[in-house]
Amino acid sequence: EPEVTQTPSHQVTQMGQEVILRCVPISNHLYFYWYRQILGQKVEFLVSFYNNEISEKSEIFDDQFSVERPDGSNFTLKIRSTKLEDSAMYFCASSEYRAGTGTGQFFGPGTRLTVL
Amino acid sequence: GESVGLHLPTLSVQEGDNSIINCAYSNSASDYFIWYKQESGKGPQFIIDIRSNMDKRQGQRVTVLLNKTVKHLSLQIAATQPGDSAVYFCAEREKAAGNKLTFGGGTRVLVKP
Repeated sequence: EPEVTQTPSHQVTQMGQEVILRCVPISNHLYFYWYRQILGQKVEFLVSFYNNEISEKSEIFDDQFSVERPDGSNFTLKIRSTKLEDSAMYFCASSEYRAGTGTGQFFGPGTRLTVL
Repeated sequence: GESVGLHLPTLSVQEGDNSIINCAYSNSASDYFIWYKQESGKGPQFIIDIRSNMDKRQGQRVTVLLNKTVKHLSLQIAATQPGDSAVYFCAEREKAAGNKLTFGGGTRVLVKP
């Protein structure tokens, strides 16, 4: 069964450093998402991406964050200058259709980001 | 200092019994709902979804019920198995918000053998 994959599984970085989190969405999916989950808290939406552009983003997704689909398979989240409060589990998700149609958003296993 | 986190309600259920997990949502404009299962150290796993024009939808061993009048969603798991032990989240989508899902706080299900 096709699945979303993410690398690395765990990333440790120093405050102020840039990190890039990588995702390979399910191959026939057209909509891509990043969510995050701070330890012990709810899963929070960051951004959605369709047709090579951002379609929605949350207040969390400020200028420090960017997303890119550099080729036909990868989808990346870049945090330019990490802060302690960016420590969280970051989940990539993809869907074949927009939300409310089709079969929902499918999540990857996550990347645990630890900012020291 | 001590971090403030979610206090997850816990549902303990005997193996073989049916489980009912509840979710209250607040946005009356939400038109699409998904139940996810999250096992420790893993990402949310899609279980079943329902649109607001439906009251009930059934899958394999699972049923989702939607009561829009009281903004309540439930997930019923038939014949609960040890592998069903996980945290279960409901997520909602407001049509005007596009593809953004808003997640609830979750319920931990513990299946006793």
